[in-house]
Parts: sequence; C-alpha cells; structure tokens
Amino acid sequence: DSGVTQTPKHLITATGQRVTLRCSPRSGDLSVYWYQQSLDQGLQFLIQYYNGEERAKGNILERFSAQQFPDLHSELNLSSLELGDSALYFCASSVVGVNEQFFGPGTRLTVL
Amino acid sequence: GENVEQHPSTLSVQEGDSAVIKCTYSDSASNYFPWYKQELGKRPQLIIDIRSNVGEKKDQRIAVTLNKTAKHFSLHITETQPEDSAVYFCAASPNAGGTSYGKLTFGQGTILTVHP
Repeated sequence: DSGVTQTPKHLITATGQRVTLRCSPRSGDLSVYWYQQSLDQGLQFLIQYYNGEERAKGNILERFSAQQFPDLHSELNLSSLELGDSALYFCASSVVGVNEQFFGPGTRLTVL
Repeated sequence: GENVEQHPSTLSVQEGDSAVIKCTYSDSASNYFPWYKQELGKRPQLIIDIRSNVGEKKDQRIAVTLNKTAKHFSLHITETQPEDSAVYFCAASPNAGGTSYGKLTFGQGTILTVHP
C-alpha cells in the first residue's frame, strides 16, 4: 500500500457522459500527478499539481480537466467521453524536493 | 519533449538466470531515472531509481546503471524468481529535486516472465 488512495476503483459509463475521478495523496505530499494507462499508448503523463497550483501539463485532452483542493486531494474530470478514453487512470504523489512518485491503485474507466 | 525507448518488449528467462532491460532517453536535461514494476491490474511500484550524479546503484538482487554520455540506463535483476514476473517500466524526469516539473516520461514496458 503506497498511501495514495483513489476512488472509485471501477467506473462504467456511456459515451458523451462526464465522470470525476478522485485522488488523495500520501500524508505530507504536496505534489499530485495524473497518468493514463492504455494498451496502445502505455503510461502517459496528463497533469501535475503542486499545493493547489497547476505545475506541468502533458498529453491532456481539452475535454479533461483537473484541480487540487486546499486539503490537497485532487480530482480529474473527464467529459464528452469517447470509447478511446477507456483506460486505467493513476494518480501519484511526491514529497517536496524529491522525485520519487508513489502511485495509487488506479481507477479503471470503461466507456461503452 | 523527452522520449524514452525501452527494450526488449518481452523477456523470458529461467528461474535463477539474470535479466537485463535497457532504456534510452533523448533529453539531456533528464537527471532522474526510476524503474517501476507493475503486476497485472495493479499500480506501478517503484523498485529502484538513480540520479545523474551516480553511475550505478544496487539493492539486493536489483541494480541500475546509467551512462549519461550515451543517454542510456539499464535494469539488472540477478537470481530471478517466478515472483519477479511482471511488466517493468523505465522512466525519465528532468528534475531530481525542486517543487516543479517532476513529470515522468515512461518507456513502453517490458513483460518479464520467469519460468520455474
């Protein structure tokens, strides 16, 4: 157990819908990262937040957005869902000043 | 941006043999290189990492080497066991410290199978 929690574990929804994935970082970690893992694209960085502010952006679609709240938990919002958005979504967190990232258990999103 | 290439994509060994997985990266600004192990349906787990000021690091049966000049790094697993079977990912990141820009660029993964 890494100490990073994610909910829900599984999510099944239909095309065109909107979902929210939630992540709580390890106690004391200020940085949160979101990654998407799919069979064809591998593990891809989406976005990073540090202490409530966006720090870096990767291959994140305009239909996707994220935020980090004052209690440091983060949410990833996916809208206008397409079949190709089906993937495992991981959140990771790290301590200030070091790079080790610890991953949560992931949310498996299935878009039908 | 950074691009990480990982080889081989699959690796099959007998229990007790060694396994080597290699990665190359493109961005000379990268200076942090972790390796993750992922079992089926589970989260990636950090198993070892190396920073650019170090050429080699060992942790029991696992070692990582880094050649900054050639921009490649490798994972070595000795005395492999069936429980080592998993997908292994290498990654690169531009900062070994600081509060920003710690994103990881991952290789494509290597499926390691250790036969009893």
